[in-house]
Amino acid sequence: TQLLEQSPQFLSIQEGENLTVYCNSSSVFSSLQWYRQEPGEGPVLLVTVVTGGEVKKLKRLTFQFGDARKDSSLHITAAQTGDTGLYLCAGGGADSNYQLIWGAGTKLIIKP
Amino acid sequence: DSGVTQTPKHLITATGQRVTLRCSPRSGDLSVYWYQQSLDQGLQFLIQYYNGEERAKGNILERFSAQQFPDLHSELNLSSLELGDSALYFCASSMAGSSYNEQFFGPGTRLTVL
Repeated sequence: TQLLEQSPQFLSIQEGENLTVYCNSSSVFSSLQWYRQEPGEGPVLLVTVVTGGEVKKLKRLTFQFGDARKDSSLHITAAQTGDTGLYLCAGGGADSNYQLIWGAGTKLIIKP
Repeated sequence: DSGVTQTPKHLITATGQRVTLRCSPRSGDLSVYWYQQSLDQGLQFLIQYYNGEERAKGNILERFSAQQFPDLHSELNLSSLELGDSALYFCASSMAGSSYNEQFFGPGTRLTVL
């Protein structure tokens, strides 16, 4: 059974600080997606990484896919209150057939 | 706005009742996924349909069923409701032929079972 573990489960920091959240697995994925979910709303796709070692930047957010395609990280520089939300990673690959394997999420709170 | 619509937004009902949640995917998307999210929890995959056919099943209870219609909208039926079924239910859709199965979520239906 494929699993994706996210850490930390919960993170509360001050505005302006940097942070990194992680998404780890013992399985290889052909792609790894990151979503952000705000309270009471549906998740929104932020990025998809597909190549081992790939780095993608979205303004202050930097996403990296591990060389072996088993793990990924999301780094936020100079966090803002608008970054508050639940960050979910999801892996896709041959073993998962047509569905994504979802992590449990990291709940991020940015305090003003 | 993701282009995925879900109705109703909120639903309050009693234990033992049956409800139907409705989802319309983005224009052109053939796949529809249903997820359950309990308070402060991650997403639990329930079921996927592709162009009217069931394609994958997750942790969906026998009391729950779904279908996708010829116009590609989907309905999730929840019966014999229990207090523990109270949750947010999300529908998502993805493009036909998408290599990475990127999903676009609707705003969700909040179900409260009293």
